[in-house]
Amino acid sequence: GQQVMQIPQYQHVQEGEDFTTYCNSSTTLSNIQWYKQRPGGHPVFLIQLVKSGEVKKQKRLTFQFGEAKKNSSLHITATQTTDVGTYFCRGGGTSYGKLTFGQGTILTVHP
Amino acid sequence: DAMVIQNPRYQVTQFGKPVTLSCSQTLNHNVMYWYQQKSSQAPKLLFHYYDKDFNNEADTPDNFQSRRPNTSFCFLDIRSPGLGDAAMYLCATSFGRVLREQYFGPGTRLTVT
Repeated sequence: GQQVMQIPQYQHVQEGEDFTTYCNSSTTLSNIQWYKQRPGGHPVFLIQLVKSGEVKKQKRLTFQFGEAKKNSSLHITATQTTDVGTYFCRGGGTSYGKLTFGQGTILTVHP
Repeated sequence: DAMVIQNPRYQVTQFGKPVTLSCSQTLNHNVMYWYQQKSSQAPKLLFHYYDKDFNNEADTPDNFQSRRPNTSFCFLDIRSPGLGDAAMYLCATSFGRVLREQYFGPGTRLTVT
């Protein structure tokens, strides 16, 4: 099945620093979704990217989909303690038609 | 508010004793999923229902079964829980597949003693 690799596994930042997590696939993705899971909580949908080179913003969060549709990134500007949690990408191949989760990046923000 | 509800939130069962977890949704979504999530890992898809059609993942053990009696409800049955089945079980829904976001319930934390 479609494999989506996500890095880094862990990221520790000081409050105010930026944060980026990356998702990569060896094959073309039909789309990519991003979810956030707070500690002790459940995944919550953030956004979906479909088009090649697409960039979307939500306040301090910027999401990008690569031109080749094989990679994506989530960038948080000036992290806050409320950003703590695990960020998952979820992507699918064009032929397989099923989306799988990346391994997730656990973000810790030190005040 | 439309939502995905899971009961119970915490479940303790004994080794080998059958257990059923339930999920209900008021979103009127046609797809319902069951995931298993262990600590610091991504959710692992066990199976999903697309309307009434059951879709099992190839690596889901036979010990796990599911029922969807109607659009709103879906159950996860673990026939003979082992210690390795202790995990968070997440129910999710979507309106269609692939290009549709998933809405997750709060999960049921299963402990096997």
